[in-house]
Formats: sequence, C-alpha cells, structure tokens
Amino acid sequence: TQLLEQSPQFLSIQEGENLTVYCNSSSVFSSLQWYRQEPGEGPVLLVTVVTGGEVKKLKRLTFQFGDARKDSSLHITAAQPGDTGLYLCAGGYSTLTFGKGTMLLVSP
Amino acid sequence: EAGVTQSPTHLIKTRGQQATLRCSPISGHTSVYWYQQALGLGLQFLLWYDEGEERNRGNFPPRFSGRQFPNYSSELNVNALELEDSALYLCASSLVLQGWGNTFGSGTRLTVV
Repeated sequence: TQLLEQSPQFLSIQEGENLTVYCNSSSVFSSLQWYRQEPGEGPVLLVTVVTGGEVKKLKRLTFQFGDARKDSSLHITAAQPGDTGLYLCAGGYSTLTFGKGTMLLVSP
Repeated sequence: EAGVTQSPTHLIKTRGQQATLRCSPISGHTSVYWYQQALGLGLQFLLWYDEGEERNRGNFPPRFSGRQFPNYSSELNVNALELEDSALYLCASSLVLQGWGNTFGSGTRLTVV
C-alpha cells in the first residue's frame, strides 16, 4: 500500500512569512499532485509534477518533485491570509492516494 | 463551463438506512471517482467509473456501491449505514485515463445518527 506522509500537520504563521510543507513516501509515484481545500469545499488542483527533480512555480508557490519521485515539497513565499487552507498532496495516476494534509493558517 | 456538481449538499440518515449520493462530471469527462473524507482519516479512494464500468475499487466493504449512467453522471449508494460512515463524500472527474488533473466537486456531507 502506497502511503504519503505530510508534515507539518498544522502551521500557523503571520502574513509575509515563508513556509515549506513536505510530502514523503517510501514508494515511487508516477506523478504527484498538490491541492488546496477550503472549509466546505472540494480540493482544488494547484499543480501536477511528473518528472523527478521537476520544479514548478505558481506565483508565490514553488513545487518540487524529488529526484527519486518519492517526495515533494511546497514552498510559499510571503504568505497571505488568502493562502489559508488545507494543503493536500496526492500520488498516483487514475486513483489517487492522498496524504492527510497540512492545515495552514495565515494571520494578518 | 460548469464544474463537477454533487447533490445533495447535506444528508442526514439514521443508522441502518441507505444513502444515495449523485455526481455530474464536467462535460466531456468520462471518468468519475468517489472519495471519502472522514475526520482524521484524510481522503480515501472509494470507486472509479469510466464508460459505465467500475474500473477500480478502494478498500471499502461491499455495502458501498455505485454506478455510472450513459451520460457519465454517477451515483454512490451506501447501504446499512453505520455511524462511522459520517463523512464528506467527494466526487471528481477527469478525461479518460488522464488521471492527473482531477476536478473535484464540493461534496456531500453525510451524517449518520
């Protein structure tokens, strides 16, 4: 069974700070996706990484896929209150395995 | 373009009853996935339908079942409801065999009392 471990589980920071959340597995994944979920809503896809070592940027968000395709990180620069939410990583191709998420709270 | 729509938004059932949840995928998407998001457990894969066929099933008992209709919409049925079935049930759709890039609906919150 493929498992994805996310850390930290919870992160509370002030506006303007930088942060990194991690997604780790002992298994190799064909791709990893990052989602953000807000209360009462479904997850919204942020990015998909496919190639080992790949780095993708989405405005202030930087996503990296590990060389061995077993881990990924999400770095947010100058966090804003609008970044608040549950960040989920998911691996796989058709049916996804999800980590339990990192709950991020950005205070003004 | 309409997104993935799920109904009802909320559902309250008594233990032992049956629940039916519905999902309409994005137009043109043929694959529908169902996930359960229970408190403390994260999102867990339930079922995958494509072209009317069940393609894969997660580690859930047989009382979780579903189907996909010719218009690609889908239904999830949960029989003999148990208290631990209380969760947010999420539906996602994608183009056939393009697993990444799933688009999720807002979910159905099922409460079993």
